[in-house]
Amino acid sequence: GAVVSQHPSRVICKSGTSVKIECRSLDFQATTMFWYRQFPKKSLMLMATSNEGSKATYEQGVEKDKFLINHASLTLSTLTVTSAHPEDSSFYICSARDRVSGRTGEQFFGPGTRLTVL
Amino acid sequence: QKEVEQDPGPLSVPEGAIVSLNCTYSNSAFQYFMWYRQYSRKGPELLMYTYSSGNKEDGRFTAQVDKSSKYISLFIRDSQPSDSATYLCAMSSSGGSNYKLTFGKGTLLTVNP
Repeated sequence: GAVVSQHPSRVICKSGTSVKIECRSLDFQATTMFWYRQFPKKSLMLMATSNEGSKATYEQGVEKDKFLINHASLTLSTLTVTSAHPEDSSFYICSARDRVSGRTGEQFFGPGTRLTVL
Repeated sequence: QKEVEQDPGPLSVPEGAIVSLNCTYSNSAFQYFMWYRQYSRKGPELLMYTYSSGNKEDGRFTAQVDKSSKYISLFIRDSQPSDSATYLCAMSSSGGSNYKLTFGKGTLLTVNP
């Protein structure tokens, strides 16, 4: 149980294009999903918290217009990197909190998406 | 001072050794403590979840929390090469609707056969 998937697992795109990453909770409902960014050999940096049916809450320093987050259902959240540039290249990981049985602070993570912007 | 401090290592041990990983923190509001394991190029996997102070054991893994010292530990007994990964401590306070986690930097562990 508590499986989170991400798609795609890897994407390479040209500078200036937009990339959409999907995060799905496969066997549970997730009222809250989180998006992280991770640089090589670094810890996870929380970008934003998304709640189903409402606007995402972004962490300080994260550009809302750059990283568009949509959480349209209890099992799906999407992150769109708009007008991507090489500095946006990173490992993006989502996590989800089980709406029914989630313990405080407990998050289940997806496998991550590696974005490379040329 | 960062909210959560974790020695990044790297830590290299022989197979069968007991591994001790730890984190210190400064925010006394933290009450929920987790250890995640992350293999290279993968998402973190929850290993241990503890609330408040005390010990919790699950197979070869033991998590300890000492809130008075603001110190948490993860022990791995009979370590295996498959335990080679980065171990992240994470913490959360009670209350609030979003239950955000604060992570340590992670410790890179290598278990040599």
